[in-house]
Amino acid sequence: SQQGEEDPQALSIQEGENATMNCSYKTSINNLQWYRQNSGRGLVHLILIRSNEREKHSGRLRVTLDTSKKSSSLLITASRAADTASYFCATDGRSSNTGKLIFGQGTTLQVKP
Amino acid sequence: GAGVSQSPSNKVTEKGKDVELRCDPISGHTALYWYRQSLGQGLEFLIYFQGNSAPDKSGLPSDRFSAERTGGSVSTLTIQRTQQEDSAVYLCASSLGGAGRGTEAFFGQGTRLTVV
Repeated sequence: SQQGEEDPQALSIQEGENATMNCSYKTSINNLQWYRQNSGRGLVHLILIRSNEREKHSGRLRVTLDTSKKSSSLLITASRAADTASYFCATDGRSSNTGKLIFGQGTTLQVKP
Repeated sequence: GAGVSQSPSNKVTEKGKDVELRCDPISGHTALYWYRQSLGQGLEFLIYFQGNSAPDKSGLPSDRFSAERTGGSVSTLTIQRTQQEDSAVYLCASSLGGAGRGTEAFFGQGTRLTVV
C-alpha cells in the first residue's frame, strides 16, 4: 500500500496564481520529500522537510509539515506554465527498518498561460 | 555520466518472453530503488537495495520479478514470462543513503516496457 496520498489528483490554474497540493501519510516518518515529474519519465527532487521541521522554503516553493495530522502541503507561488507537471510526495516510513522511499499517487498540475 | 542511467529506453516484447532492464546508479550511491509506474498512476515500489544489506523485496508483485545488484553498483531487474499487465515505465533511482537519512533520490529516465 502507498504511504503517501496526494490531493487533489488534478489541479488546473492560471499562470500567476498559487497552487497548493496536499499529502497525507500513514506511519511515522523521519522526513518527507516532494518530487516533480515531467512527461511521465524521471522524477526530480524539489525539497525535503524533516520530521522536526514545520515549514521550509525554496524559491517559489513552500512546504509545511504537520506530524500530528500526518500531512504535508506544497505551495507553488506565482505559478508559471513551466510548472505544469505531476508532483509527488515521498516518505521514508520510520517504522520501516529498510529505509525505503515510498511515493504517493501524485497531483497533476496544469498551469494555463 | 553523472546521472542514473537506464537501458533500454524502450522495450517491446512478446507475451511470455523474459526481459532484463538495467540500471547504472550514480557512483558511490549505496541505495538503489526500482519502481513501476503505469500510465497516469503513481510510483509503485518494487525493490530496494542498501549497501550489503539484504534487499527489501516486499514490493515485487510476483515471483516472475527478480532483481540483483552486482558489486554494489549496476542493478538488473528481470521479468520472466512477461504478461500484458507488466506494461509500464520502470524507474530506477539511487541515493547516497537510505530514505531515513534524508538523502534525495536521483532518478533515471526509465524504461518503457510494452508487452504485446
